[in-house]
Amino acid sequence: NAGVTQTPKFQVLKTGQSMTLQCAQDMNHEYMSWYRQDPGMGLRLIHYSVGAGITDQGEVPNGYNVSRSTTEDFPLRLLSAAPSQTSVYFCASRLTGFGTDNSPLHFGNGTRLTVT
Amino acid sequence: AQSVTQPDIHITVSEGASLELRCNYSYGATPYLFWYVQSPGQGLQLLLKYFSGDTLVQGIKGFEAEFKRSQSSFNLRKPSVHWSDAAEYFCAVGYTGRRALTFGSGTRLQVQP
Repeated sequence: NAGVTQTPKFQVLKTGQSMTLQCAQDMNHEYMSWYRQDPGMGLRLIHYSVGAGITDQGEVPNGYNVSRSTTEDFPLRLLSAAPSQTSVYFCASRLTGFGTDNSPLHFGNGTRLTVT
Repeated sequence: AQSVTQPDIHITVSEGASLELRCNYSYGATPYLFWYVQSPGQGLQLLLKYFSGDTLVQGIKGFEAEFKRSQSSFNLRKPSVHWSDAAEYFCAVGYTGRRALTFGSGTRLQVQP
């Protein structure tokens, strides 16, 4: 199994541009999420989904949109990129929502985004 | 609000020495606790987890962690560090009914030969 696959690995955008970070998992996980990682701040949750058609906001959702049309895919959209969105983005999936089983989060290898 | 504190930003140990990385959480409910490791340019890999039961849990790569409810801590330990253990380590906390993990800010481990 491939696990959690993120594309692209690296991206440079100009302020105001839009783009979509792709995330796909082949483990039939219900739960998928997006985190951003910034130095000294750990990982902060952007958006998450507990199943197809269901999404919700995390800790830092502003400037990002998500959708979940299939179980496998959970793309993250930046509508108008800002330098503050320069970060490393991680997609992570889990079998179900927390509290219903003890399976761990599985992470992709990340997308390093620079906004100039 | 729940929070996770990793008080050590950077730790350097000699190869073969023992290691303890600290993690404290704040919340009233019984937590789910995790330690993840991140090598440069990679995603996060699960080292170990605590959900219930025995408070001393064993993980991969020779790591273990002990849940101490009275101290709200979940410290990670390894008796003898290898050069390949150099990485960043993250503690994370989750709770029943909440839909996300809260991560600490990480501890970067450097191993001296």
